[in-house]
Amino acid sequence: KAGVTQTPRYLIKTRGQQVTLSCSPISGHRSVSWYQQTPGQGLQFLFEYFSETQRNKGNFPGRFSGRQFSNSRSEMNVSTLELGDSALYLCASSLIKWDSGNRATQYFGPGTRLTVL
Amino acid sequence: AQTVTQSQPEMSVQEAETVTLSCTYDTSENNYYLFWYKQPPSRQMILVIRQEAYKQQNATENRFSVNFQKAAKSFSLKISDSQLGDTAMYFCAFMKPGSQGNLIFGKGTKLSVKP
Repeated sequence: KAGVTQTPRYLIKTRGQQVTLSCSPISGHRSVSWYQQTPGQGLQFLFEYFSETQRNKGNFPGRFSGRQFSNSRSEMNVSTLELGDSALYLCASSLIKWDSGNRATQYFGPGTRLTVL
Repeated sequence: AQTVTQSQPEMSVQEAETVTLSCTYDTSENNYYLFWYKQPPSRQMILVIRQEAYKQQNATENRFSVNFQKAAKSFSLKISDSQLGDTAMYFCAFMKPGSQGNLIFGKGTKLSVKP
């Protein structure tokens, strides 16, 4: 079974631009979560989607948004990019809605490295 | 709010030896999940092992095992017979049921396995 895939793997943007990142979960996984990883702040939760609905959101400004499609694929968008948005963005998928034993486990994609100049 | 602390920013071990990485967490929950993830230089986050708080038995996965002390809120990872491929950042993570995707990570421990 194929793992979580993320595209693109690398992106370079300039301040003020916007960017869209894509994530395809493991087949059958319906929950998709997004994380930002930076050297200073570590790994921080952005948001989680299930059945096309955002169920949870971390402490990030409204410039960070996302969506999920009927096939469980997810996108996240960052508008009006700032230098501090440079980071590795990780997507993770898990099996079902209700956390239960192994089904709570999140499996990560390879990440998208975003550089803002 | 839950927090996860990894007190060892860096560790090194000789190939074939055993190393233990520490993790403590703070929560008022009784049921929750704990994970160790590995992130090698390729940056792919890989699940190493998981533990459910209601299970008293410590989880094991081949050379990897945990020492889960619920009362002490401690969750250490032991790597036996260390291999060069174990060189990576190791992250301890916490999740409570119903948290809807919100994994809380520690700052990580950089492990170097030396030949």
